[in-house]
Amino acid sequence: GAVVSQHPSWVICKSGTSVKIECRSLDFQATTMFWYRQFPKQSLMLMATSNEGSKATYEQGVEKDKFLINHASLTLSTLTVTSAHPEDSSFYICSAREAPRRQGPQYFGPGTRLTVL
Amino acid sequence: GDSVTQMEGPVTLSEEAFLTINCTYTATGYPSLFWYVQYPGEGLQLLLKATKADDKGSNKGFEATYRKETTSFHLEKGSVQVSDSAVYFCALSLGNTGNQFYFGTGTSLTVIP
Repeated sequence: GAVVSQHPSWVICKSGTSVKIECRSLDFQATTMFWYRQFPKQSLMLMATSNEGSKATYEQGVEKDKFLINHASLTLSTLTVTSAHPEDSSFYICSAREAPRRQGPQYFGPGTRLTVL
Repeated sequence: GDSVTQMEGPVTLSEEAFLTINCTYTATGYPSLFWYVQYPGEGLQLLLKATKADDKGSNKGFEATYRKETTSFHLEKGSVQVSDSAVYFCALSLGNTGNQFYFGTGTSLTVIP
């Protein structure tokens, strides 16, 4: 149980294009999903917290207009990297917490590797 | 502020050696504590957890005990295998909603035959 999927697992795009990454909780409902970014050999950097039916909460320094987050249902959140540039190349990982458990673990997706040419 | 501190890596061990990865935390409340493992090119997997003081989390031969007096949650395994080679992250969860989640910097482990 507690499986989180991400799609796509990797994507290569041209500079200036937009890329959408999906995060799904497959066997549980998640009122809250999280989006992280990970640089090589570094820890995870929380980008935003996504709450179903409301606006995402972004961490300081993360551009809301560049990283659009939508949490349309209890099992799906999407991250859209708009007008991507090479510096946006990274490993993006989502996670979800099973509703309504407080302080329960986050379950992570397998990650999406984005390469912007 | 609230944070997690892990021992720096990388750690290289021979197969069947004893493993300890230190993790200490600073928290204003009563956190839940977790260890996650990340294999190359993959996302994080929950390895074990503990939700209150003196709890011991265990999974796949790994153990960690929630020590409130020393604010620690050290990861141990008695006999490591090559397949344990990965990056290990200590984390804590805080807050009424548990949405405050803090990760350590990760410790890379390589086990050689």
